[in-house]
Amino acid sequence: EIVLTQSPATLSLSPGERATLSCRASQSVSSYLAWYQQKPGQAPRLLIYDASNRATGIPARFSGSGSGTDFTLTISSLEPEDFAVYYCQQRDTFGQGTRLEIK
Amino acid sequence: EVQLVESGGGLVQPGGSLRLSCAASGFTFSDHYMDWVRQAPGKGLEWVGRTRNKANSYTTEYAASVKGRFTISRDDSKNSLYLQMNSLKTEDTAVYYCAREASYGDYGRDYFDYWGQGTLVTVSS
Repeated sequence: EIVLTQSPATLSLSPGERATLSCRASQSVSSYLAWYQQKPGQAPRLLIYDASNRATGIPARFSGSGSGTDFTLTISSLEPEDFAVYYCQQRDTFGQGTRLEIK
Repeated sequence: EVQLVESGGGLVQPGGSLRLSCAASGFTFSDHYMDWVRQAPGKGLEWVGRTRNKANSYTTEYAASVKGRFTISRDDSKNSLYLQMNSLKTEDTAVYYCAREASYGDYGRDYFDYWGQGTLVTVSS
């Protein structure tokens, strides 16, 4: 069973700053990885699929990279609405999440 | 517009049963695998299980934590997904989401692209 480990657990940044979130898989998953955003009281939203492809309607400030075991979600310039929890996912496994909070 | 609307959550005693429903609209329900994902209060996401489509014989898969206690079914004629939960434990307390799987990208891999708003199940005496 693949384990996904996200870091950091919490990231404190200000609007306009760049956010870099990490997800590490316990074994190679090729590029088969997604990122989701979840705001309080809402369902998760698909942001990135196949490690680096933005889902429909996702702003260009969101980008994903990586393959094998190491993946990164980057938000180039944080908007107020980007402060949320982010999860990586590979098939039936989710990472534990990174909380992106306003500094 | 794709919509998934869960219902059936509530308070149940340990050892009890509950049946959740998910009503789908805005897409060809019968084409898609459908899943249940849950989230305990203040915790992360946990995949519960899936049902494949008719072309794949409606086969099901479950997380180890619920296997033998939970059953996923679907009624394509009603565009509905179900989760029968038996022998409920306090650790099953969570918001339960139904989610659509769809194929994306050059490799046709499946991802959860639409989610319902969730229904809360509380298992407590």
